Amino acid sequence: DTAVSQTPKYLVTQMGNDKSIKCEQNLGHDTMYWYKQDSKKFLKIMFSYNNKELIINETVPNRFSPKSPDKAHLNLHINSLELGDSAVYFCASTRTSRETQYFGPGTRLLVL
Amino acid sequence: SQQGEEDPQALSIQEGENATMNCSYKTSINNLQWYRQNSGRGLVHLILIRSNEREKHSGRLRVTLDTSKKSSSLLITASRAADTASYFCATASSGNTPLVFGKGTRLSVIA
Repeated sequence: DTAVSQTPKYLVTQMGNDKSIKCEQNLGHDTMYWYKQDSKKFLKIMFSYNNKELIINETVPNRFSPKSPDKAHLNLHINSLELGDSAVYFCASTRTSRETQYFGPGTRLLVL
Repeated sequence: SQQGEEDPQALSIQEGENATMNCSYKTSINNLQWYRQNSGRGLVHLILIRSNEREKHSGRLRVTLDTSKKSSSLLITASRAADTASYFCATASSGNTPLVFGKGTRLSVIA
């Protein structure tokens, strides 16, 4: 059983489109995150949710909107995709913010 | 904001040799964690060392923490080709602040 799963694994789309990435965890964790990993492998946190509530929203364009329908799911919707959005997006979950994080396999987004 | 900085950025060794990676950070921490990322995969947690601990072992991994120098090291003994991956340190501070990851060390173990 996959602890943290993401769909889709690959996403190739045109500039200007709107797309969503889904994340689900079956670990019973209260906290979930979205990270962006660029081509240089730098991992940057985007959002943090605790029990369906937004805790942290780093400097991310308004085009990115997370949604947590329940504490096991954290989806990421991106409007008006730009070339610079091309990256790998990782979802992660944890019991508390200071403990081990469990990462999903990543979604490779390529904007053409 | 970036906290951890790994050193070196890239490391290439022969199978059987030991690999040492270092991490420096800037502010007080609650704990420091090391993660591995295989190419095309998500990060996998390796080991967590708390601020009141100085050394921790897990299999072929040995992690040290020096809070006075704000640094940590990850030693992989008797490396294998399968250890080829990127290794990231991440620091946990107080409160609800999330982990802050460094840029990683890319380790290549040549068979």
